[in-house]
This record gives sequence, C-alpha cells and structure tokens, in this order.
Amino acid sequence: SQQGEEDPQALSIQEGENATMNCSYKTSINNLQWYRQNSGRGLVHLILIRSNEREKHSGRLRVTLDTSKKSSSLLITASRAADTASYFCATEAYMNSGYSTLTFGKGTMLLVSP
Amino acid sequence: EAQVTQNPRYLITVTGKKLTVTCSQNMNHEYMSWYRQDPGLGLRQIYYSMNVEVTDKGDVPEGYKVSRKEKRNFPLILESPSPNQTSLYFCASSLRVPGPEAFFGQGTRLTVV
Repeated sequence: SQQGEEDPQALSIQEGENATMNCSYKTSINNLQWYRQNSGRGLVHLILIRSNEREKHSGRLRVTLDTSKKSSSLLITASRAADTASYFCATEAYMNSGYSTLTFGKGTMLLVSP
Repeated sequence: EAQVTQNPRYLITVTGKKLTVTCSQNMNHEYMSWYRQDPGLGLRQIYYSMNVEVTDKGDVPEGYKVSRKEKRNFPLILESPSPNQTSLYFCASSLRVPGPEAFFGQGTRLTVV
C-alpha cells in the first residue's frame, strides 16, 4: 500500500541546530502532511503541502515537496528541547475504491539536547 | 473544545474476551479512521469511514470490526482478541478526505494476555 518512509529513523542534535527529516513515497498523492507525536500521545498535525505546491512555511517549520522524486523534507530551524518528539509524514492518495485515505510512515525520532 | 475522545485509555484483557474501544468526535467530521501503532512498524490503518454507514478496510483489518451508525461515533470492536492485537490504538477524524488535517485521539493502550 501507499506509504511514506522517513529518513533518518532517529536524529540527535543540540539546541539551536537545524533538524532535517526526509520522506519518500511510492505513488501519486493529493497532499503530504507532517505530524508530531510526543511519547505515547496522539499525533498532532503540523503542516500540509498540496501536490501542486513546492514549498511551505509555518513558523520554524519549512516543508518542501518534489513530486518528480516522490519525496518531501521537513526542516525545523533553531531547534529547542521541546521539539523532542517523533515526526511522521503522511500521504493522502486515492485508493482503487475511489476513496482517498491517509497513510503514515514509520517516523523519525528527534532528540534535541539542551 | 474540538476533540477526538477515545475510551478506555488503558485496557488489559484476556484472549477471546470481546471488547469495544469507543471513539467520538465533536467536530462534525465526515471521515474517521482507526490506526494501530507498533514499535518499528509506525501507524497502520485498520479501518476507515467516509461517512455514516460507509466503511472500508485499511491495511490491517483482520480481527477487527467497526461500525458508523452516527457521524460522531466510530467504535472499534475486537470480537475475539488475541495477544498479537496488543498495541497502541488511535482514532482520528478529519472534515473530509481529501483535504485538511486529521485530529487524533489520545490513544488506547491495549494488552491482551
């Protein structure tokens, strides 16, 4: 099934540094979304980028989308300890049924040390 | 407050004892879904519902049932739970699909012994 794959699986940085996570997927999509999950809690939506968009910003977040390479990246600038969490990309695409659904990758665990 | 509410948050049960995990949203969302999260496997979709009385299988539907009799509720039913269904379960809803963000419940940690 359609699935995003994040890279790296884990990332450890110091406060103030930038964190970059990548996501690759397999088939055409309607949009790609990034979510954050604090340990064991529900996921929280961060940002959505549509298939006809190439870049989007929200605060310290920057997302890029390259549909020709079927990949996306999430950049968190000037990271803080509070950014420590798992980050998931999710792709929304039409299924054979004609409905569309949201499929998640396995996530990147980000650790930001003070 | 806009939210997705799951109950219970934690559940320990025995193999074969039927259980239901409830999910309710107060945002009048059309689309609801269930995921399970396991270490190293990420989130995998179990079932989803496009609207009342419209449900379909996700990637891992075996051993689960759902119903969508009302727009706000989307219960997950395990008719005969087995230990391999021990997992962290999330319910999510969104206004429609395709479209905006999904809102997640806080999760239900299920242990089947």
